[in-house]
Amino acid sequence: DSGVTQTPKHLITATGQRVTLRCSPRSGDLSVYWYQQSLDQGLQFLIQYYNGEERAKGNILERFSAQQFPDLHSELNLSSLELGDSALYFCASSVGGPGNEQFFGPGTRLTVL
Amino acid sequence: GIQVEQSPPDLILQEGANSTLRCNFSDSVNNLQWFHQNPWGQLINLFYIPSGTKQNGRLSATTVATERYSLLYISSSQTTDSGVYFCAVDYGNNRLAFGKGNQVVVIP
Repeated sequence: DSGVTQTPKHLITATGQRVTLRCSPRSGDLSVYWYQQSLDQGLQFLIQYYNGEERAKGNILERFSAQQFPDLHSELNLSSLELGDSALYFCASSVGGPGNEQFFGPGTRLTVL
Repeated sequence: GIQVEQSPPDLILQEGANSTLRCNFSDSVNNLQWFHQNPWGQLINLFYIPSGTKQNGRLSATTVATERYSLLYISSSQTTDSGVYFCAVDYGNNRLAFGKGNQVVVIP
């Protein structure tokens, strides 16, 4: 157990809908990261937050957004869902300094029908 | 962007055999991690190894940052070692770029 928690574990929804994925980092970690794992794109970095502020962006679509709250938990919002958004979404956390080891949660498996 | 290449893509091992997985990366990096993704999809941290050599039980890893590669050694493989092994490099601002993985199957 990495200490990173994610809810829900599974999510099934329809095209055009909006969903929210939730992540709680390990105790003491200030940075939260979101990654997407799909069959065609592999594992991709989406976005990073550090102590409530956006720190880095990767291949995150305009339809996706995230935030980190004062208690350090984070949410990833996915809207206008398409079939291609079906994937495993991981949250990771780290202490926050440069080059720190990241620890991954169990993931949320999203299926868009 | 940075390229991360892992080889071999697929590997079938007899239980008890040893193997070496390789990760090449195209640019200098701040950090390198090895993960094992188990059949349930969980990413398990194996090594945090920006340089040098580390050992953990039957697994060990070596990163030669100046030559832009890392190796993961599995000795005396067991069926529980099956899964996908990922190399990930920090290419700046703690963003991890992952390779496509090494799919390992250990047969009894």
